[in-house]
Amino acid sequence: SAVISQKPSRDICQRGTSLTIQCQVDSQVTMMFWYRQQPGQSLTLIATANQGSEATYESGFVIDKFPISRPNLTFSTLTVSNMSPEDSSIYLCSVEGGTSGGARYNEQFFGPGTRLTVL
Amino acid sequence: DAKTTQPPSMDCAEGRAANLPCNHSTISGNEYVYWYRQIHSQGPQYIIHGLKNNETNEMASLIITEDRKSSTLILPHATLRDTAVYYCIVREYSGGSNYKLTFGKGTLLTVNP
Repeated sequence: SAVISQKPSRDICQRGTSLTIQCQVDSQVTMMFWYRQQPGQSLTLIATANQGSEATYESGFVIDKFPISRPNLTFSTLTVSNMSPEDSSIYLCSVEGGTSGGARYNEQFFGPGTRLTVL
Repeated sequence: DAKTTQPPSMDCAEGRAANLPCNHSTISGNEYVYWYRQIHSQGPQYIIHGLKNNETNEMASLIITEDRKSSTLILPHATLRDTAVYYCIVREYSGGSNYKLTFGKGTLLTVNP
């Protein structure tokens, strides 16, 4: 399976600031996704990160609040902008489909997550 | 919204088989059923997926009913490390060449010694 790392693993931030979360995969992958998991809740898909074009956002999520970059097939970032305490969550990156070993089609692999606390 | 319903919690004795049910009565003909699990504070882990036929791998077996409206994940010999939230998911087509997973609340499986 693909090996996915996220940075930072956790952070505590002040209200009104922004945090950029990085997701790095050890092999080229076709699809990358960003999820949010609020305390005690299940995972919610934020957006699909598209390489070379704008991300595709799910209902309830907008680019101004959660800008996403995907400059190549192994890396993506999610920024949580103008944070409020309601943004305190675990943010997870996942990947699917690869061109070399690692990630396979029809199997989505998840990173370890970034635990964000907003004060 | 998730297309699946699962019991919120289940218990299982260590060494016994754990059978986790899932209803997905609105599943479409070309949509796959996926199972993931999430151990506390970790990212979800892929377990198995299937379309029509029963599937087995090194982790579990997936039994899908003939009408595809429900399925059961079987962990043949549960261990304490299998304690986790188990998510049954119908993988939906989201346009272009993309698919997405919509997570429901899952089943908290507790394996007891």
